[in-house]
Amino acid sequence: QVQLVESGGGVVQPGRSLRLSCAASEFIFSSYAMHWVRQAPGKGLEWVAVVSHDGNNKHYADSVKGRFTISRDNSKNTLYLQMNSLRTEDTALYYCARVLIYYETHDAFDIWGQGTMVTVSS
Amino acid sequence: DIQMTQSPSTLSASVGDRVTITCRASQTISSWLAWYQQKPGKAPKLLIYKASSLESGVPSRFSGSGSGTEFTLTISSLQPDDFATYYCQQYNGYWTFGQGTKVEI
Repeated sequence: QVQLVESGGGVVQPGRSLRLSCAASEFIFSSYAMHWVRQAPGKGLEWVAVVSHDGNNKHYADSVKGRFTISRDNSKNTLYLQMNSLRTEDTALYYCARVLIYYETHDAFDIWGQGTMVTVSS
Repeated sequence: DIQMTQSPSTLSASVGDRVTITCRASQTISSWLAWYQQKPGKAPKLLIYKASSLESGVPSRFSGSGSGTEFTLTISSLQPDDFATYYCQQYNGYWTFGQGTKVEI
């Protein structure tokens, strides 16, 4: 079935880096914009970043701009989030999500992964 | 940035109740609004998109309405499986979520 599986989370010290991956299956990955959304423990959802279906357009939340980089490899059906200069406030469960309509960027999210936990702590 | 404000933050209800959650945008977003349901330890699930379109497979007791800056999610007859946290999300500009409404017994 259509599926997204995140990986790469863990415990990291402030100021260090981490790269998350999101493997997609059972849909034409290259046709869909993809997002990262995070959720701090016990808190609500926060949008993080988006990449267009072809990888040419990217946008970031102000809270991560200049520190995080979203990318994708359509040949590997995989989405990435490179997180640099991590802060304690980046501690969260990170979800990847697919948009509802192919080739659309501004859309709702119909498929979500199970999330990967990132803990930033000294 | 567009801010989304949900009310109430917590809602106590019983099985069979009609439940309404409100979401207000800080500026007009046309009908570019979605509603999600999230249960503990699970990823969010899309219920409604474009303010009033029901996602495939979602029970018809869920409905959405509104446009511009005021939106509502209604559950016509609350079922045991519906106790969860609900989020609105705008996607007119960048993407912003409301703070969530927890529906509890």
